[in-house]
Amino acid sequence: NAGVMQNPRHLVRRRGQEARLRCSPMKGHSHVYWYRQLPEEGLKFMVYLQKENIIDESGMPKERFSAEFPKEGPSILRIQQVVRGDSAAYFCASSPRTSLNEQFFGPGTRLTVL
Amino acid sequence: DAKTTQPPSMDCAEGRAANLPCNHSTISGNEYVYWYRQIHSQGPQYIIHGLKNNETNEMASLIITEDRKSSTLILPHATLRDTAVYYCIVRAAGATDSWGKLQFGAGTQVVVTP
Repeated sequence: NAGVMQNPRHLVRRRGQEARLRCSPMKGHSHVYWYRQLPEEGLKFMVYLQKENIIDESGMPKERFSAEFPKEGPSILRIQQVVRGDSAAYFCASSPRTSLNEQFFGPGTRLTVL
Repeated sequence: DAKTTQPPSMDCAEGRAANLPCNHSTISGNEYVYWYRQIHSQGPQYIIHGLKNNETNEMASLIITEDRKSSTLILPHATLRDTAVYYCIVRAAGATDSWGKLQFGAGTQVVVTP
């Protein structure tokens, strides 16, 4: 059973471009979570999604950021018009339907904005 | 904001037990104590969780005080590969939107030395 997969692992964008980060949850997991880790800082929750629904987006910046988890395919975190402050590691986690279980984290996508 | 307090760092000798304290004096009756760790640049890894009884698995033991205001994670025989940041997190059970996210604090940087 493959773990949580994220791609790309490293992404470089210039200011003003769009960044699209993908997360494939573990097989059978219908809950997806996105976290961001700024340089030298802790992990911060961004958004929690189930298939086709956003459950909790309390950690998402109000502008430029969006997330989806379609019925088919990976979850996508989209950052429009990136700025240097968006440079960070973005981690995705998944858990099975019957959570309260633990969240399984992917290896992360490291975004660098030039 | 995180509801837990942990020492910022601690050292441990290889082969010895590592005892990581966590204070969660405001924990509610429906909140679990979770422990995760993050090895440098990797995604966080689940270790263990508990409500009020002590728990043990292949990685660690979790000791929760009777009043539930503090807990200790025990790594019985620390190895160099246990060097990581360890996070103690309280997480509510019950309502879907409240137990989705994990709120990471600063954690404890554990360095295991030869």
